[in-house]
Amino acid sequence: RKEVEQDPGPFNVPEGATVAFNCTYSNSASQSFFWYRQDCRKEPKLLMSVYSSGNEDGRFTAQLNRASQYISLLIRDSKLSDSATYLCAVNFRTGGGNKLTFGTGTQLKVEL
Amino acid sequence: DAEITQSPRHKITETGRQVTLACHQTWNHNNMFWYRQDLGHGLRLIHYSYGVQDTNKGEVSDGYSVSRSNTEDLPLTLESAASSQTSVYFCASSSGQGSYEQYFGPGTRLTVT
Repeated sequence: RKEVEQDPGPFNVPEGATVAFNCTYSNSASQSFFWYRQDCRKEPKLLMSVYSSGNEDGRFTAQLNRASQYISLLIRDSKLSDSATYLCAVNFRTGGGNKLTFGTGTQLKVEL
Repeated sequence: DAEITQSPRHKITETGRQVTLACHQTWNHNNMFWYRQDLGHGLRLIHYSYGVQDTNKGEVSDGYSVSRSNTEDLPLTLESAASSQTSVYFCASSSGQGSYEQYFGPGTRLTVT
């Protein structure tokens, strides 16, 4: 089993729709979780951090379910500009510091 | 503004040549990371550093090396470039002080012919 798994998609949704992605992780000791957005041929950019049960930022809501070991990202009122690949990342402590393990990403296409 | 930069942005090299990719950050972050990204594999960790003179191997470190002589820079060296190392390389940094978010550079697209 991969440490971090995501449905690769693509998710094709109409503008204005609500869409949700899940990301499962295998290390129950993981403490911090992140969602990144990556546009084609660009670097990943931090979208949201999820340190407790979840948080909300405008149209975006991230939730954490420790019991089932997954995090989710909900996007409401989708915009064309939301089209991108969404990567989840899970932090775990190793040696003298912390590392992130990334999922392979979920592709979102928002259409007119 | 503080930032993280990579150079070159694009590089074409021949098999067997030594190549060094530069990464420079001005956030004064302790932690720096190198990833490669390939279709179907996502981001894979090559090497990382938690501070000056500290380096560690990631999951795909064979054929790569790094050195950390100051806080700002973590150059990645391909000792003898191979076609399998054709990829997009991203450098990232994090403060390492209770905050684990990583911030990425713009990437270097490397082609080994």
